[in-house]
Amino acid sequence: DTGVSQDPRHKITKRGQNVTFRCDPISEHNRLYWYRQTLGQGPEFLTYFQNEAQLEKSRLLSDRFSAERPKGSFSTLEIQRTEQGDSAMYLCASSLSTSGVYYYEQYFGPGTRLTVT
Amino acid sequence: DAKTTQPPSMDCAEGRAANLPCNHSTISGNEYVYWYRQIHSQGPQYIIHGLKNNETNEMASLIITEDRKSSTLILPHATLRDTAVYYCIVRLLTGGGNKLTFGTGTQLKVEL
Repeated sequence: DTGVSQDPRHKITKRGQNVTFRCDPISEHNRLYWYRQTLGQGPEFLTYFQNEAQLEKSRLLSDRFSAERPKGSFSTLEIQRTEQGDSAMYLCASSLSTSGVYYYEQYFGPGTRLTVT
Repeated sequence: DAKTTQPPSMDCAEGRAANLPCNHSTISGNEYVYWYRQIHSQGPQYIIHGLKNNETNEMASLIITEDRKSSTLILPHATLRDTAVYYCIVRLLTGGGNKLTFGTGTQLKVEL
């Protein structure tokens, strides 16, 4: 079990630039989640996938944000035209869901810290 | 998901038990109580969950009151490595409710 990995761990970008983050879940996990965490707050849900299907998106996920999980394995989260308010830790988590309904615990990656200057 | 209330911070001496309370007075009958913790600069880590019976694993014990309106996470012998933010979350185990809704948690500081 290699755990959930995220790349890069840190990203500094200028306002207006596009950024893309990658998440590699635990291999047998069919669910993948993205969360965002700002300083002093708990993580906030952004979106989740079951296999390659994106099943739920938070209203926090503006149209500048897009997430994909093309083959049901790794996932990418892209932010277009970054704003200073996008500065946060972006966390990925994965879990196993049997029969599509039973939810086991989520395993989190170390996160990607984004700083928009 | 039901809302939870936790104290913002607690201190504990190393080697002593850390008892972290959580109120969830609006919990529904099919919602479970989950605990996660987040050590500084790391992602959250699952600790334990339960419905109504007390639960214990290698990390902690979870005590849920009979009316299920509150619970306590117990770290029996806290160490410096247990310093973290602890989140109490209530959610469904099956059906809807795929996401975790985190509050601001309790910052536990374990000191010598």
